[in-house]
Amino acid sequence: GAGVSQSPSNKVTEKGKDVELRCDPISGHTALYWYRQRLGQGLEFLIYFQGNSAPDKSGLPSDRFSAERTGESVSTLTIQRTQQEDSAVYLCASSLERFQPQHFGDGTRLSIL
Amino acid sequence: DAKTTQPPSMDCAEGRAANLPCNHSTISGNEYVYWYRQIHSQGPQYIIHGLKNNETNEMASLIITEDRKSSTLILPHATLRDTAVYYCIVRVDSGGSNYKLTFGKGTLLTVNP
Repeated sequence: GAGVSQSPSNKVTEKGKDVELRCDPISGHTALYWYRQRLGQGLEFLIYFQGNSAPDKSGLPSDRFSAERTGESVSTLTIQRTQQEDSAVYLCASSLERFQPQHFGDGTRLSIL
Repeated sequence: DAKTTQPPSMDCAEGRAANLPCNHSTISGNEYVYWYRQIHSQGPQYIIHGLKNNETNEMASLIITEDRKSSTLILPHATLRDTAVYYCIVRVDSGGSNYKLTFGKGTLLTVNP
């Protein structure tokens, strides 16, 4: 079946611009996660959604970052007033339930000029 | 989560079995052993997980020692497309924010023709 889909696959933008990244999870997966991965580094947790519960936003690095999820479907991660240190691959994952194996998309490679 | 130790790199001939070791001597009774891999420029991919019994799926087999202090991921017939960094993780599948995934250094498996 279809896996986690992320768009765009690549995004190049100028410093100071806003960007919106999209994630389509696997159908039926109630849990959705956003991570950031800088070049050669490990995963950095950003935010977690589970059904209609309040999201865990503890990993968002600043108030320039926000995310939304509509029910158990699409999620968008928004970065306002982008900075060069925001350059990274932004990965979305979904799982059937909270502690089930996470299935990842191929990420959005964000480059801030 | 318990600490894991993996060799930084391994080589394997195409068509042969790849056996990737992982030490987790401080694993707790309620911690699962998970394996993920990350192929260059792709998102992480879930492979397999287990608690104490050996597990097999369409991708791999997981052999966990009786004392659970180490495990081996087996790719029975490695192909060039299996070249990736393989991550061994131990984690509790319940409670708090244990859904946050973190990767260590992993093992770079290179499958040679």
